[in-house]
Amino acid sequence: GEDVEQSLFLSVREGDSSVINCTYTDSSSTYLYWYKQEPGAGLQLLTYIFSNMDMKQDQRLTVLLNKKDKHLSLRIADTQTGDSAIYFCAEIRSGTYKYIFGTGTRLKVLA
Amino acid sequence: NAGVTQTPKFRVLKTGQSMTLLCAQDMNHEYMYWYRQDPGMGLRLIHYSVGEGTTAKGEVPDGYNVSRLKKQNFLLGLESAAPSQTSVYFCASSYERSSGRGNYEQFFGPGTRLTVL
Repeated sequence: GEDVEQSLFLSVREGDSSVINCTYTDSSSTYLYWYKQEPGAGLQLLTYIFSNMDMKQDQRLTVLLNKKDKHLSLRIADTQTGDSAIYFCAEIRSGTYKYIFGTGTRLKVLA
Repeated sequence: NAGVTQTPKFRVLKTGQSMTLLCAQDMNHEYMYWYRQDPGMGLRLIHYSVGEGTTAKGEVPDGYNVSRLKKQNFLLGLESAAPSQTSVYFCASSYERSSGRGNYEQFFGPGTRLTVL
């Protein structure tokens, strides 16, 4: 299909790990992104991965890329209440100027 | 740097009224975008621009017009507002794909919340 798909909601307890999944559509996408949107604010880039990588780690964040299945995941270790937000995955379609965003996953962290 | 700014932050319109949303960026980005965000639908691209004086249609362009007369500004117009255009509107900008600059991330403004009654 044409859509970038994500589950809509995820709830975790503070201190646990969170895993947010995304299925994208264009196997030739060069960059894949995770954006974070806090309440009442715009999106901010959280992390990204280049398509020739399988994994990228940045402090509490781990991004895994499975190009065969076109699956992207974001793992947040030791999840904190400040991580409560909406998380969007996005890809740049090859040969276009367009970024395609997923529907967003609302992460709720329970104290 | 202010980054990407949007004016106004909130607006309430009556059906049939017109308005213009202003987006400004001070990062010398070539590309600019307008999105709308609706619950459960993520971000949908309305129009975009790859340079001063150029615009193109996105996924949901009907009922909107845009102009990019100056590189730093991208205007979104609603000629005759409809309740279906109630949404949160985001502007974004990024470097040109061939610039070789970084990861081509999009920088977003804080959004404009529009209600059409």
